[in-house]
Amino acid sequence: GENVEQHPSTLSVQEGDSAVIKCTYSDSASNYFPWYKQELGKRPQLIIDIRSNVGEKKDQRIAVTLNKTAKHFSLHITETQPEDSAVYFCAARGNNDMRFGAGTRLTVKP
Amino acid sequence: GAGVSQTPSNKVTEKGKYVELRCDPISGHTALYWYRQSLGQGPEFLIYFQGTGAADDSGLPNDRFFAVRPEGSVSTLKIQRTERGDSAVYLCASSLGFLSPLHFGNGTRLTVT
Repeated sequence: GENVEQHPSTLSVQEGDSAVIKCTYSDSASNYFPWYKQELGKRPQLIIDIRSNVGEKKDQRIAVTLNKTAKHFSLHITETQPEDSAVYFCAARGNNDMRFGAGTRLTVKP
Repeated sequence: GAGVSQTPSNKVTEKGKYVELRCDPISGHTALYWYRQSLGQGPEFLIYFQGTGAADDSGLPNDRFFAVRPEGSVSTLKIQRTERGDSAVYLCASSLGFLSPLHFGNGTRLTVT
């Protein structure tokens, strides 16, 4: 099955700065890459996703880039706000399963 | 509309007992996933259903774990002879299709004493 690695495990930024989280995957057949945000005690919520036929996607302050050759994808959050503080998970869809990274705990300091 | 519903929200059981966890997916979603999440970890894949059949059960840790989805809608995750290491939040998710996002339920927090 797919194997997804994510780093950093923790990230602390000042409000207004940018945050970047990176993931790599193992299965070259993977074709769908979502990102989820999980607040303490809550369910993971989709924030953005990208398909393998696209290199970049943006939604307001959030963007995701995909490099299929290198098998890595990244989440970029600009102009961070305290409410962006949460755990972020990347995931990759292989032939059948959807595998998640271990998560990045983002803290945005006011 | 209604999201993914999981029951119970909390389950405390004694070591060695049998438990069943239920998931009601979003109506019309053919794909259903079970994950297990321990504190500070990412969701760990257990099993994926497409319709009634288990398309991928490679994540089930051992033969104490079993899941069914007999009518292609509601799914039940069954754990026999529970162990303390089974304690975690069990998340269910459903999606409309192969390249569609997963919608998660609130999870069942299982505690094995």
